[in-house]
Amino acid sequence: EAQVTQNPRYLITVTGKKLTVTCSQNMNHEYMSWYRQDPGLGLRQIYYSMNVEVTDKGDVPEGYKVSRKEKRNFPLILESPSPNQTSLYFCASTSTGLLFFFGQGTRLTVV
Amino acid sequence: ILNVEQSPQSLHVQEGDSTNFTCSFPSSNFYALHWYRWETAKSPEALFVMTLNGDEKKKGRISATLNTKEGYSYLYIKGSQPEDSATYLCAFIGPGSARQLTFGSGTQLTVLP
Repeated sequence: EAQVTQNPRYLITVTGKKLTVTCSQNMNHEYMSWYRQDPGLGLRQIYYSMNVEVTDKGDVPEGYKVSRKEKRNFPLILESPSPNQTSLYFCASTSTGLLFFFGQGTRLTVV
Repeated sequence: ILNVEQSPQSLHVQEGDSTNFTCSFPSSNFYALHWYRWETAKSPEALFVMTLNGDEKKKGRISATLNTKEGYSYLYIKGSQPEDSATYLCAFIGPGSARQLTFGSGTQLTVLP
């Protein structure tokens, strides 16, 4: 089954404690991206990757890092999380740009 | 940053009512417009991918139209059912932005039985 898998689904952490949210897709897609969803703001892009070892900033990259060492994986790294990064995060992938597949989301709370 | 707007922000309708929402986007530099249906605790699910001016797409009771010259798309739901309750998101892709999706803030639909 074609899917995008994020882990964990829920996470509560403390300010400053490094964390990684994993994203994996099994469709051999070149393009992967991360979004955050906040009430009233829609989905905003954090980072994206056009292919292995090719990453670039989206609209709200501050406080985040990503890596793309393999085609299937695109982890989101928060080196020093802060409460303003409390949000719902989605990973997505596509090959054509016309059909995007989304993960089920990771709800992160930073206290 | 591109401006993609959706209205209304939220909507309550009775079961059986038909309804529609609007997505407005930059009319220049258009590549594609997506509509997604997003239920709480699930991933956004693609409803339609629209690329041509005048496109009309239909999936069951849900349909969408596209006007790229004036920069808007309508989503229609005929005979709303409680299971249609969800947030409906539109997302714009411009030609110079590869596969960058710019999302609207969504229309939250609640269908009351």
